[in-house]
Amino acid sequence: DSGVTQTPKHLITATGQRVTLRCSPRSGDLSVYWYQQSLDQGLQFLIQYYNGEERAKGNILERFSAQQFPDLHSELNLSSLELGDSALYFCASSAGGRQSYGYTFGSGTRLTVV
Amino acid sequence: GENVEQHPSTLSVQEGDSAVIKCTYSDSASNYFPWYKQELGKGPQLIIDIRSNVGEKKDQRIAVTLNKTAKHFSLHITETQPEDSAVYFCAAPSAGSARQLTFGSGTQLTVLP
Repeated sequence: DSGVTQTPKHLITATGQRVTLRCSPRSGDLSVYWYQQSLDQGLQFLIQYYNGEERAKGNILERFSAQQFPDLHSELNLSSLELGDSALYFCASSAGGRQSYGYTFGSGTRLTVV
Repeated sequence: GENVEQHPSTLSVQEGDSAVIKCTYSDSASNYFPWYKQELGKGPQLIIDIRSNVGEKKDQRIAVTLNKTAKHFSLHITETQPEDSAVYFCAAPSAGSARQLTFGSGTQLTVLP
C-alpha cells in the first residue's frame, strides 16, 4: 500500500456520460497530480493541485476538470466521455515543497468507455 | 517545457545479465531524475532517484548515472531476476515553480529465466 488511495479501481461507462475519480493523497502530502496512461502510451500529465489551488496544467481536455478539497483529497471529473478516454488514470502525491519532487502513485482507476 | 526521451522501448535479457535503460532530457535546469517501476496492474513505484550534484547512485542491484553535460541519465540493473520484469519509466521535472514530472515513454523489460 503506497498510502495514496484511488477509487474506484475500475469504471465502465457509456459514451457521453460523466464520471468522477477520487484520490486521497499520502498523509502529510500537499500536492496532488493527475496522469493519464493510455494503451501503449506513457504517463501524460493532466493537472496538479497544491494545498487546494491549481498549480499547473498539462494536456487536459476542456471536458475534464479537477479540484482539491480542504481535506486535500482530489477529484477528477471527466464529462462527455468518448471511446478515446478509455485509459488508466493515476493520482500521485508529494510533499510539495520547493525541493520536493518525489511522487507516490496510487494504484490507478481503469476507465473503460463503451 | 521538458522533453524526455527513453530508449529502448523493449528490452529482453537473460536472468543474471545486466540491463541498461537510457534517457535524455532537454531542460538544462533540471536537477532531479527519478526512475519508476510499474508492474502489471499497479501504479508506478519509485525505485531510485538522483540529484544533479552527484554523478552516480547505487542501491543494491540498481544504479543510476547522470551526465549533465550531455543531458542524459541511465538506469543499470545488475544480476537481473524474473521479478525485475516490468515497465520502467524515467522522468525529469518541468521548468517553472510547479516542477511536475515529465515521464519518458517507458521500457518494457523482460527477464528470461
